[in-house]
Amino acid sequence: AQKITQTQPGMFVQEKEAVTLDCTYDTSDQSYGLFWYKQPSSGEMIFLIYQGSYDEQNATEGRYSLNFQKARKSANLVISASQLGDSAMYFCAMRPYNTDKLIFGTGTRLQVFP
Amino acid sequence: DGGITQSPKYLFRKEGQNVTLSCEQNLNHDAMYWYRQDPGQGLRLIYYSQIVNDFQKGDIAEGYSVSREKKESFPLTVTSAQKNPTAFYLCASSIDLRRTTNEKLFFGSGTQLSVL
Repeated sequence: AQKITQTQPGMFVQEKEAVTLDCTYDTSDQSYGLFWYKQPSSGEMIFLIYQGSYDEQNATEGRYSLNFQKARKSANLVISASQLGDSAMYFCAMRPYNTDKLIFGTGTRLQVFP
Repeated sequence: DGGITQSPKYLFRKEGQNVTLSCEQNLNHDAMYWYRQDPGQGLRLIYYSQIVNDFQKGDIAEGYSVSREKKESFPLTVTSAQKNPTAFYLCASSIDLRRTTNEKLFFGSGTQLSVL
């Protein structure tokens, strides 16, 4: 079965510090993509970063980086220099390339404090 | 600006009533999706459509129905058969994911459905 696990229901981080949000996945497929989305309190889902299973380099997008460890099946999101506006729910998702559906984890609520 | 519009933002349903959630996109995307979000359960796929006049059931389709008569529109009807409809509903669209590997989903701002 394909599954995404986010074990941290909530995380706190002080402004300007870095934080890592954990994500592990389970799939027997060799080809897949991993995604992170941010959901502010307003409700919309905002795409943050993508990692392909064959990508050798960890993906980076501005203050976001994805720590991809294929053997461990983990795809942790690292947010550097946290800002108050980073407070939101964060979802990890996966799509095996032979499907057209995105599978989501249960999310982690991040709160950034001054 | 291109994007996905969901309406209404809040919707209330009476017992035994069907309600329809609207989703419109002007991104010229082939595929559209409906997800349900409950607290602590992440997003679960209800229905999706890869082309006009065709759609497939997701993981939790029971009690829901959809139509795809136009490329831009993918309305979701929550029927009276859905016994626990209170949730946040998100519509999304993308290009046909079967043709690419790294394409992401674009989401609307959601509809909160509550039962009176």
